[in-house]
Amino acid sequence: KAGVTQTPRYLIKTRGQQVTLSCSPISGHRSVSWYQQTPGQGLQFLFEYFSETQRNKGNFPGRFSGRQFSNSRSEMNVSTLELGDSALYLCASSSGGLLTDTQYFGPGTRLTVL
Amino acid sequence: SQQGEEDPQALSIQEGENATMNCSYKTSINNLQWYRQNSGRGLVHLILIRSNEREKHSGRLRVTLDTSKKSSSLLITASRAADTASYFCATAPRTQAGTALIFGKGTTLSVSS
Repeated sequence: KAGVTQTPRYLIKTRGQQVTLSCSPISGHRSVSWYQQTPGQGLQFLFEYFSETQRNKGNFPGRFSGRQFSNSRSEMNVSTLELGDSALYLCASSSGGLLTDTQYFGPGTRLTVL
Repeated sequence: SQQGEEDPQALSIQEGENATMNCSYKTSINNLQWYRQNSGRGLVHLILIRSNEREKHSGRLRVTLDTSKKSSSLLITASRAADTASYFCATAPRTQAGTALIFGKGTTLSVSS
């Protein structure tokens, strides 16, 4: 099976812009979760989608949003970018969800906000 | 706040030696998972141990879980230079709607030849 893919791999934006990141899960996986990784805060959970519904949400402002399509592909959107949003954004997929199953991670999208 | 905390933060060893990393967490969990990350890339799953298990093995990896002490350890035997990476534990708190997979800050392992 193909692994989790994320596009784009690298992105440079300026403050105030918005950005959309994409994640394609492993075939058959219905859960997709998103994480932000920064040197200061480490790996932080953003949200999890399961069968097109947001099932869990981390402690991030409303500028961070996501959605999942019927084919389980997921997108994450960040509006009104801030310098502090510069990070590696990782998505992970699993068959049953983040509370019970192994998470398979993509390579990440490196976002730089100037 | 972090649910899991790894110890030590950094570890340097020679090839062939064993490496032990510890993880402590705060609340009851469904499972605990260990991941490896090379140089800011995606995470690679190593082992998932469920709350009713005490020990699991996978190749050169051995994970133990002590739910009474809320701690876990990851042992890598006969380390290789390719094991150089950051290692994270992640916990899935039990029950609680709206919860998350929570990662610790990680242990950076450096294996020199």
